[in-house]
Amino acid sequence: DAGVTQSPTHLIKTRGQHVTLRCSPISGHKSVSWYQQVLGQGPQFIFQYYEKEERGRGNFPDRFSARQFPNYSSELNVNALLLGDSALYLCASRQGGNNEQFFGPGTRLTVL
Amino acid sequence: AQSVAQPEDQVNVAEGNPLTVKCTYSVSGNPYLFWYVQYPNRGLQFLLKYITGDNLVKGSYGFEAEFNKSQTSFHLKKPSALVSDSALYFCAVRDGAGNMLTFGGGTRLMVKP
Repeated sequence: DAGVTQSPTHLIKTRGQHVTLRCSPISGHKSVSWYQQVLGQGPQFIFQYYEKEERGRGNFPDRFSARQFPNYSSELNVNALLLGDSALYLCASRQGGNNEQFFGPGTRLTVL
Repeated sequence: AQSVAQPEDQVNVAEGNPLTVKCTYSVSGNPYLFWYVQYPNRGLQFLLKYITGDNLVKGSYGFEAEFNKSQTSFHLKKPSALVSDSALYFCAVRDGAGNMLTFGGGTRLMVKP
């Protein structure tokens, strides 16, 4: 089985622009979470979706939004990009219960 | 609010020697604890987890972790380090609802030949 996949791998944007990041979970996983990892820090939780419903939200501004589709893939959208949004954005999927989250390779976003 | 502390930014160990990467946590209720490893320009790879049961948890690549409830610690250990173990290690705690992982700041492990 393929692992969690994310696209694109790298992205360069300028301040004020909008970006959409995509994630496909492991087959059979219905829960998808998004994390932001700024260089030199641990990942910070942004969102969790389960069965297309938002189940958790971290301490991020409303410029950040996400959604989950019927096939359980997910998009993370960030509006009005700031320099501080430059980071590695990680997607993780989980089967549910007490199972661990499996992470994708991430999308590295650079905001100039 | 839950939190994780990894007090060492970097741990240096010689190949073949035992290694320990420290982690302490704070959470209300029962802790769900995880260790992940990150190689350069890669996502996080799951190593092991503690949900309940034995305090010594065995995971991937020969790693194990010891849960200590009284000290609120979950230290990662390996009896004999390999150069290929050199990477960034993250400890994380999950809330009871399973909605989010809270990560520590990470510890860079350097294993020298």
